[in-house]
Amino acid sequence: AQRVTQPEKLLSVFKGAPVELKCNYSYSGSPELFWYVQYSRQRLQLLLRHISRESIKGFTADLNKGETSFHLKKPFAQEEDSAMYYCALREGGTASKLTFGTGTRLQVTL
Amino acid sequence: KAGVTQTPRYLIKTRGQQVTLSCSPISGHRSVSWYQQTPGQGLQFLFEYFSETQRNKGNFPGRFSGRQFSNSRSEMNVSTLELGDSALYLCASSIRTGTAAEAFFGQGTRLTVV
Repeated sequence: AQRVTQPEKLLSVFKGAPVELKCNYSYSGSPELFWYVQYSRQRLQLLLRHISRESIKGFTADLNKGETSFHLKKPFAQEEDSAMYYCALREGGTASKLTFGTGTRLQVTL
Repeated sequence: KAGVTQTPRYLIKTRGQQVTLSCSPISGHRSVSWYQQTPGQGLQFLFEYFSETQRNKGNFPGRFSGRQFSNSRSEMNVSTLELGDSALYLCASSIRTGTAAEAFFGQGTRLTVV
């Protein structure tokens, strides 16, 4: 069965410091990987997905199939990046089911 | 464009009762998925409906059921409520099912079972 692991519950960084939120997955096929973000009092929203290979709000994530990882990175953290981040996996094919990691709370302090 | 709407936002029920939660997807979206979010288990998939048919089901007991109407609105029902059913229930809609379909989440219904 597929599994998503986010080893850190809380990541605290200073403003301007680099950020890396870790995500590892286990799945035998070709998955789709996503990062979702939940800001305080807001709904869960898509941040980025590996098939788009884009940078959103300065964040990037590269799918590393060899290491089965999809770490989220940003070179310079901003206060507004403070939020809960969830890594999620979807099996290839026709299913829409997302398997989520337990989430990492990013806290950016001055 | 209106987002995914879930009603009610908050609900308090007694053990043994049943509850029905509603989800109105974004206009034009035909796939609706439900998730349970708890501090201990995180976000767990309940089921997905597409064109009024259940496409996929998570590992939850039969007390959890759902349906989808012809206008794509969906309801989920939990019968014989247990204390452990207390959670935030999230609904997500997509324009279609499967690969590359972005899921948009509602704000959730917070169910408390006492």
